[in-house]
Formats: sequence, structure tokens, C-alpha cells
Amino acid sequence: AQTVTQSQPEMSVQEAETVTLSCTYDTSESDYYLFWYKQPPSRQMILVIRQEAYKQQNATENRFSVNFQKAAKSFSLKISDSQLGDAAMYFCAYRFDSGGGADGLTFGKGTHLIIQP
Amino acid sequence: DTGVSQDPRHKITKRGQNVTFRCDPISEHNRLYWYRQTLGQGPEFLTYFQNEAQLEKSRLLSDRFSAERPKGSFSTLEIQRTEQGDSAMYLCASSFYGGSVGEQYFGPGTRLTVT
Repeated sequence: AQTVTQSQPEMSVQEAETVTLSCTYDTSESDYYLFWYKQPPSRQMILVIRQEAYKQQNATENRFSVNFQKAAKSFSLKISDSQLGDAAMYFCAYRFDSGGGADGLTFGKGTHLIIQP
Repeated sequence: DTGVSQDPRHKITKRGQNVTFRCDPISEHNRLYWYRQTLGQGPEFLTYFQNEAQLEKSRLLSDRFSAERPKGSFSTLEIQRTEQGDSAMYLCASSFYGGSVGEQYFGPGTRLTVT
């Protein structure tokens, strides 16, 4: 079974600084998808960024970028120029497309990101 | 499109009662998922549908839980004979399967409290 590990229960960063959230995963598959979701205090999960395992290029979405190391099974999220609105729980998630079988996301336990003004 | 919606947003029930939650996915999405999230944890997968067919059920989905998606549109999740351990946030998500990453979009959730 796939597992996703987020080793940082909580991270704190000063506004406008850069922070990196860690995620490692375990899988025997070679083709899969990885995601970072943000869950603000209102509790609705929002997709931040996604990465296809077959792509070597790291995904980037404005201030958010990932460092995807497939061999190391590592998928970290970098947030540049942190803003107060970035404060939330961040979840790393894994998806394997079995083509009609298993398709649920496997989530890590999350990292609580605090932005210090 | 207004995104995934869920109803009710909050539900308080007494142990032993039955409850039913509803999820309306994004209209063009053919897959619909249910997750459960307890405090301080990430969501855990329960089940998913492609159109009206239920394709996968987690071992977390005991016999007291049943989900349906009639006509491949909205879905309902019913919990019979609720227990205190059922208290959690129940999240619904939808995606379009077929040709892309298949990212899932989540609703606001239904918070269940069993007293």
C-alpha cells in the first residue's frame, strides 16, 4: 500500500520569506501523480499544485513550486514571498491511476503553516 | 460552475440514529469521491464512483455505511446506527477522468457530531 509522510507537523515563516514543506512517499509504481492541497481554517481543500511522475520538470504555479525527486520519492513544496493568506494546513497527496480500479488519494497527515507578520 | 457542494454543512445526531449526507459534484465531472477526515489528520479515502458505478470501497467503509450515485449526478452517503467514532468531517470531491491528471476538487465538507 502507498504511504505519504509529512515529517513537519508545524512550520513557521516570516511574511515575505520562503518556506519549504517536506513530503516523502512510498510506492512500487512508476507512473503516478502527486499533489499539494491547502486547507485554510474554513476547511475547504484547495488544490495548490500537481506533478506527474513521468515529467522530469518540476511544476510551478506562481509563488508555489515543487522539488520532485523521483528516485528519492520526495516531493517538497516551496512557497516564495509568503503571504498571510498562505496560512493553512498543507497536505501532500498521492494518486495512482489503475485504469478503473483504485483511484482514491492517499494523504499525509499535514503540515500546519504559520505566517508571522 | 460553483464547484462541489455538500449538504448539510453540520449535523449533530444521537448515537444509534441514521444520517444521510448529499454531495453535488462539478457538473462535467464523471468521478465522485468520499473521504473522512478526523481532527489533526489528513483525509482518508472511503469510496468513489465513476458515473453511477461504485468502483472502489475502502476497508474503512463498514457495513453501516452505504453510498449511492443514482443517474451519475449527485451522491448520498448514509451512516446507519451512528457511533461516536463516526464523528468526523465527511468530504466529497469530484474529478473528470479521461485524458488529464484527474485532479480532485473538494467540497466544503459535512461535519458530523455524534453525541
